Order: sequence, then structure tokens, then C-alpha cells
Amino acid sequence: DSGVTQTPKHLITATGQRVTLRCSPRSGDLSVYWYQQSLDQGLQFLIQYYNGEERAKGNILERFSAQQFPDLHSELNLSSLELGDSALYFCASSVGSGDLQYFGPGTRLTVL
Amino acid sequence: AQKVTQAQTEISVVEKEDVTLDCVYETRDTTYYLFWYKQPPSGELVFLIRRNSFDEQNEISGRYSWNFQKSTSSFNFTITASQVVDSAVYFCALRLAGGTSYGKLTFGQGTILTVHP
Repeated sequence: DSGVTQTPKHLITATGQRVTLRCSPRSGDLSVYWYQQSLDQGLQFLIQYYNGEERAKGNILERFSAQQFPDLHSELNLSSLELGDSALYFCASSVGSGDLQYFGPGTRLTVL
Repeated sequence: AQKVTQAQTEISVVEKEDVTLDCVYETRDTTYYLFWYKQPPSGELVFLIRRNSFDEQNEISGRYSWNFQKSTSSFNFTITASQVVDSAVYFCALRLAGGTSYGKLTFGQGTILTVHP
């Protein structure tokens, strides 16, 4: 158990819908990262937050957004969902940007 | 931009065989970190090792060993006397030590390892 929690574990929804994935980092970690794992794109970095502020951005679609709240938990919002958004979404956390990232169990999103 | 290549998509071995997973990386930065993660069938990502670019010492941890060669930009992973529980997808990853996106992990495509009894 990495100490990073993600909810829900599974999510099934329809195209065009909007979902929110939630991540609680390990106690004491200020940095949160989101990654997407799909069959065609592999494991890709989406975005990083550090202590409430966006720190780095990867290949995140405009339909996706994230934020980190004062209690340091983070949410990833996915809107206007398409079939291709079906993937495993991982959250990771670390003390700081340069520290080891610990991954949560992931949220498996299925878009029908 | 950095890149990680794991040329072996799938490897199948019989228990007790040794197996080496290859990883080649590309970066223009001189300071960086390399990682190996394991993803068992349950789906979580498990950290195995981190190595920084200044430390080319090979490492052994039980049945696992890692060979880092800067000259060939490779960071290979060997499992000795493989076991069925080693069956998983293994990812090699790279993170820069500076710059605007230095927290970002760049992953290879992964190698599916299947160990048969």
C-alpha cells in the first residue's frame, strides 16, 4: 500500500458525459501528479500540482482539467468524454517535485 | 524531449530462467534519474529502483539486478531465477533533474513478462 488513495476504483460512463476522479496524496506529500495509461498511448504524464499550484503540464487535453485543494487532495475532471478516453488514470504523490513518486491504485474509466 | 524505449514488447520464460529486460533512453540533459516500476496483474505501479545519472554502479537486490551504462544510454534489468510471481508488466522511466517539467516521469512502453511454471 503506497499510501496514495484514489476513488472511485472503477467508473463506467457514456460518451459526452463528465466525470471527476479524486486523489488523496500520502501524508506530508505536497506534489500530486496525474498519469493516463491507455493501450495506444501507454503511460503518459498529464499534469502536476505542487501545494495547490500547477507546476507542470504534459499531454493533457483541453477537455481535461485538474486542481489541488488546500487539504492537498486533487481532482481530475474529464468532460465531453469520448471512447478514446477509456483508460487507467493514476495519481502519484511525492514530498517535492524532485522526490520519489508513489502511485495510487488507479481509477479505471470505461466510456461506452 | 526525452524518450524511453523498451524494445521487448513481450517476454516469455520458464520458471528459474534468468531474464533481462532492456531499456534505452534519450535525453540531452546531463543530470537525470532512471527508474524501474512493476505493474502486476492487479494493476498498481510498484517502484523497484531509482538510479541517478552520476551513479553508474550496478545494483543487486536479491534476485534483481540493474546494469546502468551511460555510454550506451541503457538501464537494463535482470531477474535471476525467475518465479511465477514475477509475471507483470515492467516499465522503465526517466525523470530530468531540472527544468520546468522536472517532476514528470517519461515511461517506456513496458515489457510484458510471463513466467511459466
